[in-house]
Amino acid sequence: GAVVSQHPSRVICKSGTSVKIECRSLDFQATTMFWYRQFPKKSLMLMATSNEGSKATYEQGVEKDKFLINHASLTLSTLTVTSAHPEDSSFYICSAIKDGTSNSPLHFGNGTRLTVT
Amino acid sequence: DQQVKQNSPSLSVQEGRISILNCDYTNSMFDYFLWYKKYPAEGPTFLISISSIKDKNEDGRFTVFLNKSAKHLSLHIVPSQPGDSAVYFCAARGGATNKLIFGTGTLLAVQP
Repeated sequence: GAVVSQHPSRVICKSGTSVKIECRSLDFQATTMFWYRQFPKKSLMLMATSNEGSKATYEQGVEKDKFLINHASLTLSTLTVTSAHPEDSSFYICSAIKDGTSNSPLHFGNGTRLTVT
Repeated sequence: DQQVKQNSPSLSVQEGRISILNCDYTNSMFDYFLWYKKYPAEGPTFLISISSIKDKNEDGRFTVFLNKSAKHLSLHIVPSQPGDSAVYFCAARGGATNKLIFGTGTLLAVQP
């Protein structure tokens, strides 16, 4: 199978602090990973495309200086929420696609519930 | 601009009956469509997909139908089971990128 691991699953932080979320593809290489955000009872909104060895591509309306993405290797992407505010509280989910496969589904991590107090 | 829409926010079905979940899209560049199942506080789980060159794909109790001219796809689950109760998202991909655009989701409740 294609397993994506996301850590931590839950995090509570104070306003003004930064939080790092890790996304790992455990049994495959992923040149590209995607970060999504889900508000309560809403759809999954794509935030950015994480590219190994290059800068992330952000969707319109997503602040790249606030949501820092680093794709350090073929199996690891990190999302850092900088200077977090209560409105950043949300469910963040990463996903990855196996390299070299066309028309393949995205495999998702189990998400991170971020609560900013 | 919501490119992928699921107009029914919820659906209730009796156990053993058929569940039909619908999805519409607007972007004609989409050429690959997927259905995901999601429980609260978990990531989506892939169920079934279909390429735009097909109009039907079946996998066990799950069948996805694609009507390209109507820009419409549907997921049929038969027979429905209580364990199928979850939020179902359709998603679409196309063009030069691999990014998936998700619909708004339909909460399916299968009553025992």
